[in-house]
This record gives sequence, C-alpha cells and structure tokens, in this order.
Amino acid sequence: DQQVKQNSPSLSVQEGRISILNCDYTNSMFDYFLWYKKYPAEGPTFLISISSIKDKNEDGRFTVFLNKSAKHLSLHIVPSQPGDSAVYFCAARGFQKLVFGTGTRLLVSP
Amino acid sequence: EAQVTQNPRYLITVTGKKLTVTCSQNMNHEYMSWYRQDPGLGLRQIYYSMNVEVTDKGDVPEGYKVSRKEKRNFPLILESPSPNQTSLYFCASSRTGLYTGELFFGEGSRLTVL
Repeated sequence: DQQVKQNSPSLSVQEGRISILNCDYTNSMFDYFLWYKKYPAEGPTFLISISSIKDKNEDGRFTVFLNKSAKHLSLHIVPSQPGDSAVYFCAARGFQKLVFGTGTRLLVSP
Repeated sequence: EAQVTQNPRYLITVTGKKLTVTCSQNMNHEYMSWYRQDPGLGLRQIYYSMNVEVTDKGDVPEGYKVSRKEKRNFPLILESPSPNQTSLYFCASSRTGLYTGELFFGEGSRLTVL
C-alpha cells in the first residue's frame, strides 16, 4: 500500500526551463512533507520541506507547493540546471518515520 | 564534517552467512533509522531508534536485527541473509524525534545475497 506516490518515473527538461515534480499522498495524518535529492552512489540529501499548515515554501530556485484538499504536493525548480539532474524523492512525516515515494529521475539537458 | 558513515559500501555474500552493516554518526543525534531502497518501492524503513537502548520495528523488519548500545552507532544485523535481502541500504539520523522531518543519510551499502 503505497501511501506516497510519484507517478512519473522520469522527467526531461531543457536547461533554463521549469521542472515540475509531482507527488500524491493518501494519509491525511501526515504533517510535514519533504523533498530529497539523490545522486548516483550517494545517499539522499534534504532539499526543501513544507509544514501541512502552509501551502507554499520557497528556497532559491526551489519552491514546494502543498494542496491539502487534493493531497498533492509539487516541487518547482526554476530555472533548471544540468546539475539538478538526479532522482528526487518526495517524503511525508508519519509516526517516527518518513514515508517515501518511489522517486522521479530528472534529466536537465544543456 | 557532519556525516553518517556506513560500512561496507558494497558486499556480496551467500545465503545464511551472518553479516553486519555498521553505521556511525558524528552529529550527536538521538534518532537513527535504517531504510532499504528497492526498484519501484522507494525507501522503506526497516528499524529505528529513538535513543540508546530504544529500538523499534519499521515497515519491513523481517530478517533484520539492530542494536543501539551507544548514541553514535546503529548496526544492522542480518543473521541469516536470503536473496530477497539483496538491496541498497541506507542509515540515517536526525535530531530528536524527526522534529523537522529532516533525515541525514549515509552513502548507502549495496548488498547482494547469492
């Protein structure tokens, strides 16, 4: 039972354009949402988060949007850069754990 | 440098041969956890520890053991590995109780059980 879903396994974007990564969740008890970035042969690294009481959080080129009624969040990267090419995991905070999605591989081409 | 260190990074073993994956963090974090990553399944929690001598099962604990005798170390033990434990394993740590939800991950240990 996948409580956090990332339905797009991959996304290709040109450098300078916007990347939009999507994530859906089923458990309304989740109170905190995070995005992690993962390069090959490395562990996931924290990128940005949002509390369930907010609908938007911005950090430089990265913005996370939360739509609680739709149980949907998205990560916007503007402008996209080749160094952003990685796997992005959406995660939600449950009881004593983070519940992760299956990841979206982003490829930003020059 | 703040980090979570796992060893070994790569291991090929055979069914039934006990092994331990070590994990150590230097950030004085109370919370530590083990995850496994499998294709199409994302990262799933195996075990977690709120503090020294306090451990509990995650979503997929079968076939694994952990211990937390010191704050900095949280080894993952496979008493009798089986091929379905072939996976990429990550250790992670956090300040008290995932307060901000942010986990710091190690670089991963790729385990193959033949």
